[in-house]
Amino acid sequence: SAVISQKPSRDICQRGTSLTIQCQVDSQVTMMFWYRQQPGQSLTLIATANQGSEATYESGFVIDKFPISRPNLTFSTLTVSNMSPEDSSIYLCSVVDGTFEAFFGQGTRLTVV
Amino acid sequence: KQEVTQIPAALSVPEGENLVLNCSFTDSAIYNLQWFRQDPGKGLTSLLLIQSSQREQTSGRLNASLDKSSGRSTLYIAASQPGDSATYLCAVRSDRGSTLGRLYFGRGTQLTVWP
Repeated sequence: SAVISQKPSRDICQRGTSLTIQCQVDSQVTMMFWYRQQPGQSLTLIATANQGSEATYESGFVIDKFPISRPNLTFSTLTVSNMSPEDSSIYLCSVVDGTFEAFFGQGTRLTVV
Repeated sequence: KQEVTQIPAALSVPEGENLVLNCSFTDSAIYNLQWFRQDPGKGLTSLLLIQSSQREQTSGRLNASLDKSSGRSTLYIAASQPGDSATYLCAVRSDRGSTLGRLYFGRGTQLTVWP
């Protein structure tokens, strides 16, 4: 199993500002995943972050809006840039272990006002 | 494209009842299936992982079954407790070439167990 520490757990931000979410894993992992969960919806994959290379973004998500860093095998950040109320969601980071079991952080509940 | 459906969307029961939550998926080319629990505004906690070659997994009061060929899984919760109140999510991991490894989620079953 993997233990993931994600912070902040929640934040209220002004529109037009940016928020950086941090994700720390207790073991080295090749890939880290960032998801968004809009109110009342299920999870949508934003991007996959590999250490030492550019993140791979899903359709509908762009690097300018959601820049991702992956400086080492245990850490990643997701920035939500130039926020609008539509960005209000729960953001989650995730990893998988050798059996392809997925583990998630505690989530960041973002409200944009 | 894989689609995951969970029924019912919401369930409210008295404490002590045995429950069945349903999950169906449209593409049987899956690597595994995972059940999660999510408390309001929080992240996901992994409950059970079933590999595609397995039929069921058990953990405490939880039992999950998988019928890959028919595209169905059930999560059985025995002797429900108020602490079981949460949203339960089902997710399948694709084993199909173009989407290999991708995780597809249902929208969840919101469970309320009242004392």
